[in-house]
Amino acid sequence: EADIYQTPRYLVIGTGKKITLECSQTMGHDKMYWYQQDPGMELHLIHYSYGVNSTEKGDLSSESTVSRIRTEHFPLTLESARPSHTSQYLCASSRTGGQNYGYTFGSGTRLTVV
Amino acid sequence: DQQVKQNSPSLSVQEGRISILNCDYTNSMFDYFLWYKKYPAEGPTFLISISSIKDKNEDGRFTVFLNKSAKHLSLHIVPSQPGDSAVYFCAATAREAQKLVFGQGTRLTINP
Repeated sequence: EADIYQTPRYLVIGTGKKITLECSQTMGHDKMYWYQQDPGMELHLIHYSYGVNSTEKGDLSSESTVSRIRTEHFPLTLESARPSHTSQYLCASSRTGGQNYGYTFGSGTRLTVV
Repeated sequence: DQQVKQNSPSLSVQEGRISILNCDYTNSMFDYFLWYKKYPAEGPTFLISISSIKDKNEDGRFTVFLNKSAKHLSLHIVPSQPGDSAVYFCAATAREAQKLVFGQGTRLTINP
């Protein structure tokens, strides 16, 4: 079944550790996005990609980095995690054109840095 | 600059009654609008959408109304059910840009 997958669902990690949040989609979507959602509910775009080898920073400044080497894979990396990175991270994808201009979201990764 | 605004952070409605969630936008280039529903610890799921060439779209218990002159849209849920308790996000896009802009979300609570 075509879908978008995020792993891990939950992660508790110590300060200073390097982490990678995985996001993969099997829908053949060319565009992918990372959002950060704090308890205040608002969704903040932190990174997006419109295709392989294309990545851009979003509206909210983030210390994380992303890569897009394959169409289906869009991992997010934090080189040195800090408590301020504690948040929910949501990955999404979409397809250029078509009738539905919406995004399909993954289930998210809840990150806690202690 | 918040281009899409949901001015009510929370809304409480009795089961069986109508829930009305509101959304305002400022960018006149937006021509497609969507509503997403989000449960805690899950990603948002698409609920319903509307193109700017329409003023109403209905899907079961959910209806979205668009007032282009007022730059306002609303989501009506009738009748409201306990499973509707979630955070609802309004989103808008100019289709050529294909980047969604989200509102701040409204937490809907349906009381039995």
